[in-house]
Amino acid sequence: AQSVTQLDSQVPVFEEAPVELRCNYSSSVSVYLFWYVQYPNQGLQLLLKYLSGSTLVKGINGFEAEFNKSQTSFHLRKPSVHISDTAEYFCAGGTSYGKLTFGQGTILTVHP
Amino acid sequence: EAQVTQNPRYLITVTGKKLTVTCSQNMNHEYMSWYRQDPGLGLRQIYYSMNVEVTDKGDVPEGYKVSRKEKRNFPLILESPSPNQTSLYFCASSASLTAGVDTQYFGPGTRLTVL
Repeated sequence: AQSVTQLDSQVPVFEEAPVELRCNYSSSVSVYLFWYVQYPNQGLQLLLKYLSGSTLVKGINGFEAEFNKSQTSFHLRKPSVHISDTAEYFCAGGTSYGKLTFGQGTILTVHP
Repeated sequence: EAQVTQNPRYLITVTGKKLTVTCSQNMNHEYMSWYRQDPGLGLRQIYYSMNVEVTDKGDVPEGYKVSRKEKRNFPLILESPSPNQTSLYFCASSASLTAGVDTQYFGPGTRLTVL
């Protein structure tokens, strides 16, 4: 069985500050990892994904994430956030034969 | 425009009154699924479909039904809604036959309240 845990339910940050949203996964098999973003009153959209290859993955809107197999983590980072980054972020993990498992979500609030 | 559409976006109903939430995608995707989103629980899969006439249970299927008679449509049916089904529902689709390896495209969501 696989599980995905987002370590922070809420992250407040000031505009132009860096941010890290933490995600750990557990799986006995190879996993594929995703970060999705949900803006208010909208559906989820893909930020970035790790399938294989380079462990540093760059996504849209200046976000990036690093796959760390030894620490079973896939933390999301952005060096300088904007007000428009205020949203809920979901980490998700999947396997080649199974479904996608979502974390509990992290609400990022960017203050002016 | 490639998209997943859901209707209605908002629905308030009463216990026991059958309802259907429609979902349609125009990307010719094989895989479609339904999720419910509850605070602190993330998204949990209700049902999924890998092809026409092929559906299977997700993590929380109790109280729900689905059908896949056409590739583009995947309606969610609540035969006898109960208050614990009050939630935000999302339909999603992907090109791959398994959700675990491919980008999911989500609809805008349906907020359901069961009184």
